Amino acid sequence: DQQVKQNSPSLSVQEGRISILNCDYTNSMFDYFLWYKKYPAEGPTFLISISSIKDKNEDGRFTVFLNKSAKHLSLHIVPSQPGDSAVYFCAASAQGGSEKLVFGKGTKLTVNP
Amino acid sequence: DTAVSQTPKYLVTQMGNDKSIKCEQNLGHDTMYWYKQDSKKFLKIMFSYNNKELIINETVPNRFSPKSPDKAHLNLHINSLELGDSAVYFCASSPYLNTGELFFGEGSRLTVL
Repeated sequence: DQQVKQNSPSLSVQEGRISILNCDYTNSMFDYFLWYKKYPAEGPTFLISISSIKDKNEDGRFTVFLNKSAKHLSLHIVPSQPGDSAVYFCAASAQGGSEKLVFGKGTKLTVNP
Repeated sequence: DTAVSQTPKYLVTQMGNDKSIKCEQNLGHDTMYWYKQDSKKFLKIMFSYNNKELIINETVPNRFSPKSPDKAHLNLHINSLELGDSAVYFCASSPYLNTGELFFGEGSRLTVL
């Protein structure tokens, strides 16, 4: 029962172009969404988040969009850089709590120079 | 100074053995977690502790026993290891009841032969 789905296991983009990573969720109780980035042999690190009361949050090159009616969120990286190459996990929580984050399987992004 | 540190990073052992993984955080956080990333790459919560008290136990077999001697440490002991226990185990911490930003350790890769 995957409550958070990342249907693209991998994505490859050219340096300087936009990377768009997608995430779908099924649980309508989720009200806070996060993206984590993971390099090989390291733990995931928090990247950006969005509350369900917003539809967009921006932090430098990273923007997360939330479409509640479609239960869909996306992470845009513009411009993409080779150092962005990593696995990106989408995660969600209900009632704003960190106790029970639900993660997707991740999307491996490769940014080619 | 590593914020969340786990030892050992790699563990190879035989079925039926007992092993422990240690975790320490120096961030002053109240809440600590154990997550398991299995072969399908899902990151799933196993346990959550707040100030040494267990607050989440996600239907993990009772062969897994977490221990929190103080709020900066959360250790994981696994009895009678099985092949299916092979995974990467991540420790994480967060301020209690925050919105989901977790700080992860580097992970401990357990291989059961």
